Amino acid sequence: SQQGEEDPQALSIQEGENATMNCSYKTSINNLQWYRQNSGRGLVHLILIRSNEREKHSGRLRVTLDTSKKSSSLLITASRAADTASYFCASPQGGSEKLVFGKGTKLTVNP
Amino acid sequence: GAGVSQSPSNKVTEKGKDVELRCDPISGHTALYWYRQSLGQGLEFLIYFQGNSAPDKSGLPSDRFSAERTGGSVSTLTIQRTQQEDSAVYLCASSLGPGGSYEQYFGPGTRLTVT
Repeated sequence: SQQGEEDPQALSIQEGENATMNCSYKTSINNLQWYRQNSGRGLVHLILIRSNEREKHSGRLRVTLDTSKKSSSLLITASRAADTASYFCASPQGGSEKLVFGKGTKLTVNP
Repeated sequence: GAGVSQSPSNKVTEKGKDVELRCDPISGHTALYWYRQSLGQGLEFLIYFQGNSAPDKSGLPSDRFSAERTGGSVSTLTIQRTQQEDSAVYLCASSLGPGGSYEQYFGPGTRLTVT
């Protein structure tokens, strides 16, 4: 079963704009991770945020986590055409060690 | 250093044939995962190996699917009597420790097409 649900399913913006993607999850977690996938192949890890953290930054990426609402958001600032990809959130399901991925947000950044 | 590698990158097989997909994880990574991704969909968990523990096979869709990990390193996913619905990209990932707490490093995937 899915642990994370990304919203929106698809997002199209112009270069230079900010992109915000949201993720909701169902069970309690000890961390939540965001991944990026180009062209339907291997995923690349972007950022991991632990349950005791509220916000984390990495370059142009900003991730927030609200455990009370069971939600997370990924913000990409000053987007570039090269940011075009699918973005997935993932978190351990219940007490298990396996990561469960959402269906992803497909981001298109138009030059 | 070398990342996760998978072979073959593409595999076309006839319905009813068996296939073997291989994954070479990053050296020293104790956790190894197999996922399946159908066109435009998210990742479907298949199986998880952690160290010498019994694998978590809870995601395998049927008894036609099996996987092994030899010597705590290379893993092979076997699909017997392939069906058209098995067509997908099969992704392997490894991580330094228990998968839920560590980032996963993915291979490029094997695109399986069953005709």
